[in-house]
Amino acid sequence: DAGVIQSPRHEVTEMGQEVTLRCKPISGHDYLFWYRQTMMRGLELLIYFNNNVPIDDSGMPEDRFSAKMPNASFSTLKIQPSEPRDSAVYFCASSLSSGGFTDTQYFGPGTRLTVL
Amino acid sequence: AQSVTQLGSHVSVSEGALVLLRCNYSSSVPPYLFWYVQYPNQGLQLLLKYTSAATLVKGINGFEAEFKKSETSFHLTKPSAHMSDAAEYFCAVSGGYSSASKIIFGSGTRLSIRP
Repeated sequence: DAGVIQSPRHEVTEMGQEVTLRCKPISGHDYLFWYRQTMMRGLELLIYFNNNVPIDDSGMPEDRFSAKMPNASFSTLKIQPSEPRDSAVYFCASSLSSGGFTDTQYFGPGTRLTVL
Repeated sequence: AQSVTQLGSHVSVSEGALVLLRCNYSSSVPPYLFWYVQYPNQGLQLLLKYTSAATLVKGINGFEAEFKKSETSFHLTKPSAHMSDAAEYFCAVSGGYSSASKIIFGSGTRLSIRP
């Protein structure tokens, strides 16, 4: 298996622009998670899905952030409009259906976002 | 609610020496505990996890951790450090199947290995 795939790996954009991050989870995994990692705040869970349905988005920092999972093999995290404080590494992770927070999470390589 | 504290943001040991990374947790329900490792420019990968079975958990690459309820600790150890162990290590706690459960990651400990 190719593991969790994220694209792009690096994104540099200007303040105010729309940013879309993409994730393909491991086939057969029912849970998908989006995280943000920064030096100041560490690793934060933004939102997670179970069987393509958003379960908890309480970690999404603002309404500028949105996430979708239109099917079992694809998810997006969108920031519109982007701001410099959104600069971070964004990780996608997936896990099997035995329970999202009890099972091993498999992380993608991350997308490093820089907002100028 | 859960929380986790990793003591020491940076630990440096000599090659061949004991590695000890400290993690203390707080949980209102029986916890699930995890150690993840992150190599530069990569995502996190699981080292080991505690799920209420044996209190001494063995993981990959020679690492192990012991769950101590009385001390609310889950420290990570390895008897002999290798250069390849240099990475960032994260302890995490979840409340498992509890309806209010989330996974909380610690702030991480960067492990350096001296030749």
